[in-house]
This record gives sequence, structure tokens and C-alpha cells, in this order.
Amino acid sequence: GAVVSQHPSWVICKSGTSVKIECRSLDFQATTMFWYRQFPKQSLMLMATSNEGSKATYEQGVEKDKFLINHASLTLSTLTVTSAHPEDSSFYICSAEDRGYGSYEQYFGPGTRLTVT
Amino acid sequence: ILNVEQSPQSLHVQEGDSTNFTCSFPSSNFYALHWYRWETAKSPEALFVMTLNGDEKKKGRISATLNTKEGYSYLYIKGSQPEDSATYLCAFYTGTASKLTFGTGTRLQVTL
Repeated sequence: GAVVSQHPSWVICKSGTSVKIECRSLDFQATTMFWYRQFPKQSLMLMATSNEGSKATYEQGVEKDKFLINHASLTLSTLTVTSAHPEDSSFYICSAEDRGYGSYEQYFGPGTRLTVT
Repeated sequence: ILNVEQSPQSLHVQEGDSTNFTCSFPSSNFYALHWYRWETAKSPEALFVMTLNGDEKKKGRISATLNTKEGYSYLYIKGSQPEDSATYLCAFYTGTASKLTFGTGTRLQVTL
């Protein structure tokens, strides 16, 4: 099946610094990637939809200036958490959509645990 | 706001037991219902994508059914094994919004 990698798997940073998370589709081209966030005991919440070569579409309530998304190629999307604060500590996970067979199936990375101290 | 609910939240069964859980979703604007299995420290793994009312899909000991008119899907595991221990997520896909809305998942633990 399709493989999506995510790096790093965990990161600890100090308040006020920025953190970049990478999401790569390893064996297929993904024109669309998604970024989700999960708080403890809650469901995966979509933050933004990232389309290759265009601006990301953010969900209501997600600050686009705080969570910068770049989708510069068909296999790579990045999420940068700028000026991170402790309340940004969470689990971030990406997915890449494979529309090759019209199924709109999403393949997920393993996620990144961010802790802001 | 779309509401996708899963029940139970968690389930503890013994090896060999058969089990099932439920995913409830809005019956309007339906496009597809996705099931994922998510083991700790791994990527969520796609199990099924279901699109038609009355669909039944099977993968080994795991099967799923879909009722789009009443807005629910069941996931069945026959003869549970310890390796089935995971969180099972369902996600509703509406064509109008082109995105997945996830339930909170059912955490299954299978013990010997």
C-alpha cells in the first residue's frame, strides 16, 4: 500500500521557537495533503488542506499565520508551528490523498508529538 | 458541524471472542465512509472505504456493513486475536466538503 512518512516523530521545543514538521508520500504523488491535530481523548481534527502549488485551505478557528503550510512538490508538505506556546503541544498527523483510482483514499503518516516547554 | 460518533469508546475482549462496534454519521450529503485501524506508534491503516448503501466488505476476519439511509456502519471482528488490539476509527466523507470527519474511535484490547 501507499506509504507516508512524517518527520520528526517527536519534538520538544522552547516557547517562542518555531518547529517544522515534514510529510512525504514515498511511493505515490499526492496533489492533496491534509494536516490534522489530536488532543487527548479527542478525534482527529482537520487543521488544513494543502494543495500542491497553491495556498492551503484552513479550517475555521485555525490561525494560518501560526500554522504555516507549504506544499511545494507532489511528495512533500510541511507544517511550521511558528512562535510555539505550551498550548500548541499536541499530536500532529498528516495524510496524503491518492486519487489514482477515484477512491479518494487518504494514507496517513505516523504523526508527530510536539511538546512546547 | 458534522457529528460522527463511535461506540463503545473502549472494549476489552478475550482471544477468540467475536466483537463489533458502531459508527454513526449524518445520513445527508453522504459520499463515503472510511474505516481505519490505528496501532500505537504506527500510522492509521486503511481498512475499508464504503460508498453504497448495503455495502458489505471483508478483509480476513474483519468485515463491515453500511447503512447510509439511517447513518450507521458496523465493524465486526471474528475470533479476535491479540494483534487486533488497536483503535478503530471511522471517518465520514462528504463530497461537498471534500474532507474526512473522524469519530473518536473505539479502543479494542484483546487479551489471552
